[in-house]
Amino acid sequence: ETGVTQSPTHLIKTRGQQVTLRCSSQSGHNTVSWYQQALGQGPQFIFQYYREEENGRGNFPPRFSGLQFPNYSSELNVNALELDDSALYLCASTKERGDYGYTFGSGTRLTVV
Amino acid sequence: DAKTTQPPSMDCAEGRAANLPCNHSTISGNEYVYWYRQIHSQGPQYIIHGLKNNETNEMASLIITEDRKSSTLILPHATLRDTAVYYCIVRVAVTNNNDMRFGAGTRLTVKP
Repeated sequence: ETGVTQSPTHLIKTRGQQVTLRCSSQSGHNTVSWYQQALGQGPQFIFQYYREEENGRGNFPPRFSGLQFPNYSSELNVNALELDDSALYLCASTKERGDYGYTFGSGTRLTVV
Repeated sequence: DAKTTQPPSMDCAEGRAANLPCNHSTISGNEYVYWYRQIHSQGPQYIIHGLKNNETNEMASLIITEDRKSSTLILPHATLRDTAVYYCIVRVAVTNNNDMRFGAGTRLTVKP
């Protein structure tokens, strides 16, 4: 069984630009969550998608948006990039939102200059 | 979700048991205790979770006090590869706002 894969692994963008990060969930998982992890801090919840619908959102502005596709893969889009958006973006998947542990990808390192 | 308190860092000798404490004094009756770890430059890895009974799997054991206000993650024979940041999280298993809140965690260093 494959794990969670994220692409790209590293990305450099300019302030004001837009970025799309991609995540393929683990086989059999229909729930995907996205996290932002700044250097030296724990991951912060951005939002979750369950069966293609947003299932909860953390304290992030609307310029952070997402999608989940019928195959349960997902995208995170960030508009109008700011310097503080520089972070490791993690995707995690699980079955049925729930009681099972989440499987995390290795993340996308985004640097905004 | 309840907040947790963990020591910022701990050391452990290779081959010895690593006991990582977590306080969650405001935990609710329907909240589980989850443990994850994050090895440098990787995504967090699920270790174990439990509600009220002690749990054991191939990676670790989880001991939850009877009042559920604290727990301990035990790595029975720590190796150098167990050096990581360990996160204790309490949350309702299935919610409509599935916020799994990571704190700063405990940085465990296993020494030869």
